Amino acid sequence: KAGVTQTPRYLIKTRGQQVTLSCSPISGHRSVSWYQQTPGQGLQFLFEYFSETQRNKGNFPGRFSGRQFSNSRSEMNVSTLELGDSALYLCASSISGRALDTQYFGPGTRLTVL
Amino acid sequence: AQSVTQLGSHVSVSEGALVLLRCNYSSSVPPYLFWYVQYPNQGLQLLLKYTSAATLVKGINGFEAEFKKSETSFHLTKPSAHMSDAAEYFCAVSEGETSGSRLTFGEGTQLTVNP
Repeated sequence: KAGVTQTPRYLIKTRGQQVTLSCSPISGHRSVSWYQQTPGQGLQFLFEYFSETQRNKGNFPGRFSGRQFSNSRSEMNVSTLELGDSALYLCASSISGRALDTQYFGPGTRLTVL
Repeated sequence: AQSVTQLGSHVSVSEGALVLLRCNYSSSVPPYLFWYVQYPNQGLQLLLKYTSAATLVKGINGFEAEFKKSETSFHLTKPSAHMSDAAEYFCAVSEGETSGSRLTFGEGTQLTVNP
C-alpha cells in the first residue's frame, strides 16, 4: 500500500503570497490531519478533516484553511504569507480518526517564506 | 487540556548502551500515548502506542515503553542502542475521544549515538 504523499515537497514563497499544499492519504483512510513543525514551536495541530468535514481546529489564525475532497485527499491553504509561516507542514492520515487510531505521516512540505 | 513534557532535548549514548527517553503527560481523561521517531527530512514514524490494553508496550526496532499512571509517565527504552537509532523522538498524547485524532506533542528529544 502506498503511504501518505504530500506535494510539493519544497516551496519558496514571498511575504503576502498565498500557498496551497496537497496531501493524499493512504487508500481507505478517511481522516486527514495537518500539523505545523517549527524549531521554536515544535509540532502544532492545525486541523483535522473527516468525510469532507472539518472536525477539529487548532489555534491558528484564519489565514490557515483547509478542505477535504470526496476521495479523502486534502489541501491546506495559507493566505497572506508571513515570515513566521516558514515551517515543515506535515499531513497524517488514519482509518477513522478515532483517538486510538495509528496516524501515518507523510514526508512533509517544507515551506520557506522570504 | 492535555500536555506532554519530554525531559532532555538532547540525549547522547554510546552504541550498545541503554536508551532511556523520558516523557511525562498531563491528561484529564484516560490517555492514549504515542512515541514517534523522525529521521532528517522525513515525516514521523510510529514506534509504539499505549491504548490501555497493557502497561508495557513493545514497539518496532526493539523499543518499548511502560505506562505508569501513578507517575504520569511513558518513558521509552531500548536495551542496546544502534547507530541507526540516531534521530529525533516525540512523545504525544491523544486529546481524547471527543477530539478525534488530534495529538499534542512534546518538544522532542534528539538522540545521538556515539560509536
